[in-house]
Amino acid sequence: DSGVTQTPKHLITATGQRVTLRCSPRSGDLSVYWYQQSLDQGLQFLIHYYNGEERAKGNILERFSAQQFPDLHSELNLSSLELGDSALYFCASSVTGGGGELFFGEGSRLTVL
Amino acid sequence: AQRVTQPEKLLSVFKGAPVELKCNYSYSGSPELFWYVQYSRQRLQLLLRHISRESIKGFTADLNKGETSFHLKKPFAQEEDSAMYYCALNPSGGSYIPTFGRGTSLIVHP
Repeated sequence: DSGVTQTPKHLITATGQRVTLRCSPRSGDLSVYWYQQSLDQGLQFLIHYYNGEERAKGNILERFSAQQFPDLHSELNLSSLELGDSALYFCASSVTGGGGELFFGEGSRLTVL
Repeated sequence: AQRVTQPEKLLSVFKGAPVELKCNYSYSGSPELFWYVQYSRQRLQLLLRHISRESIKGFTADLNKGETSFHLKKPFAQEEDSAMYYCALNPSGGSYIPTFGRGTSLIVHP
């Protein structure tokens, strides 16, 4: 078990709504990464936090936001949801802010109806 | 910006056949390259990394800087190798964005 936990595992909601996905990294890991995996797409990088600070941002929509808290858990907020936001959202953690292995959670599957 | 390309979406082989999953990358510096694997109903996990130069579950991958490739190979595929495989690149500097390919689904038939 990699120790990265994500909640909820599954989430079904309607267009226009807002959801929050939560990620707890492995004990001792300072970095948290968020990825989106849509149908037939690879892992699209969204955002990276290291020890509470944003380190890098990918093609993350303005409707999406994230933060990493002092206890190092992270939340990804998705608002004004659209059908196309339906995807599997992965969180990964690593010890450092650059280089090395990523440890993944099981993902949160979001379905927007 | 870096890019990872896995040209095959699906690779289907029979048990005992050799398998090669292709990965090409685009990056101006010296990247760190990985293969991750996701077995059915399991989370994505590291299979191997180029700096280790080790064989994991019979798989090997050699970094070819001239061809900017990091293909994953196994001489004799097993049914339990059936999984989704992702090639990934960690840049050596700048904004740290681990980049993944789209993945190749390997199916090994009995």
